[in-house]
Order: sequence, then C-alpha cells, then structure tokens
Amino acid sequence: DTGVSQNPRHKITKRGQNVTFRCDPISEHNRLYWYRQTLGQGPEFLTYFQNEAQLEKSRLLSDRFSAERPKGSFSTLEIQRTEQGDSAMYLCASSSRDDRYGPQHFGDGTRLSIL
Amino acid sequence: AQTVTQSQPEMSVQEAETVTLSCTYDTSESDYYLFWYKQPPSRQMILVIRQEAYKQQNATENRFSVNFQKAAKSFSLKISDSQLGDAAMYFCAYRRMNYGGSQGNLIFGKGTKLSVKP
Repeated sequence: DTGVSQNPRHKITKRGQNVTFRCDPISEHNRLYWYRQTLGQGPEFLTYFQNEAQLEKSRLLSDRFSAERPKGSFSTLEIQRTEQGDSAMYLCASSSRDDRYGPQHFGDGTRLSIL
Repeated sequence: AQTVTQSQPEMSVQEAETVTLSCTYDTSESDYYLFWYKQPPSRQMILVIRQEAYKQQNATENRFSVNFQKAAKSFSLKISDSQLGDAAMYFCAYRRMNYGGSQGNLIFGKGTKLSVKP
C-alpha cells in the first residue's frame, strides 16, 4: 500500500494555458474522488469515479474542467484556459468498494498557481 | 443543503495539555457520518476519527475523542496530552449515508489551525 499519489506536486502556469494533473489511487481502490481546496477553506468536492465511470460531478466543475479514469486505475483532471480563480490545491482521494465511509485516503495534492 | 461550521479559525495549546475544537453542522437528515481530519503543513489529509450518527456512544481513538451532541448538531474534538506533532489544520466533515448508490460526498468546514507550544 503506497498511498494515493499525485503528480505534479506543484504547477505554475500562465493564465489561459491548459494543465493536467494525475492521480494514482491505492491499488484495488475502485472509488476515486477529486476535491479542490482554496486558501483558508476546506476541500470542496469536484467529481467522483467508480471504476471508470464518472458518477457524480459538482457544479464547481465548469465546462473548462474534465476528468477521466479510462481504465479504472489512475485518473487525470484537466483544466482548459486556466483563470486566476483556478489557483488552488487539487486533492485526490480513494476508497475501496467495501468502504462505506467514503474517501478515506488522500494524496498530497497538486498546488496550482496561475500567473 | 448541508453545511459545516468551524467557528475557531485558530487555537493554541500547551504541550501535554488538552484542547477542544468545535464544530457544528446543519442537516435535515437523521443518518449520516461525521469526521475529523488532520492536515499537517504541506502534507496529506489524514482521518483522525469518525462517528456514525446512529451511535450514541462517542468515538475515541487513543488521545482523540469526540463529543457528539446530535440534537444540538454539535461535534467537537478533544485532544488530550497534546504533542508537537498534533500541530496542523483540523477539518470537521459531514457525509450523508449512502442511499440508492449516491456517494454522499464529504462536506468540509473551513478548518481550525492548531498550534502546540512546547
């Protein structure tokens, strides 16, 4: 059990650029979650996958955001045409099919800074 | 919609002393889970303790315990014998129980920054 892995740890980009983050959940965890955490706030839910199916999306996930989990293992979160307001920590979490409590294991996050 | 409120942006405690972090929440549901997470600086979020709303007994994990008052919608965290390693952001979170396949994702408060003085 190597834990939830997120890459990169930090991303600095200019406004208007596209960025992509990757999350590798704990192996055999079929549930994967993305959260966004802005400064001084708690994490806010973005989207949830069960295996490769994206089952829930938050209203925070605008058209510029897209998430995938093509083979039910790792997931990517892409933000197109980044804006200043996208600056945040993006957290990934995973849980097993037997875990009724929801996301229990979080990664270190990817910190996005928009110049 | 459910909300979680942590009214203490910052708290401080002397090493070896006890500190209580407050959390209130608002929901119209009767079955749900409550959690406390710890987020050390630049490190990952870690689950500290959880409570099922249908259980009257307060959860305890070593030095961490909760005071769950369902009628008052209050869920405070008590840390006993505080250690330097307890310094972190602490987040209270709510999650509805699974119904019909819905995941009922975590709803977090804004957090309380805990400092531990040697």
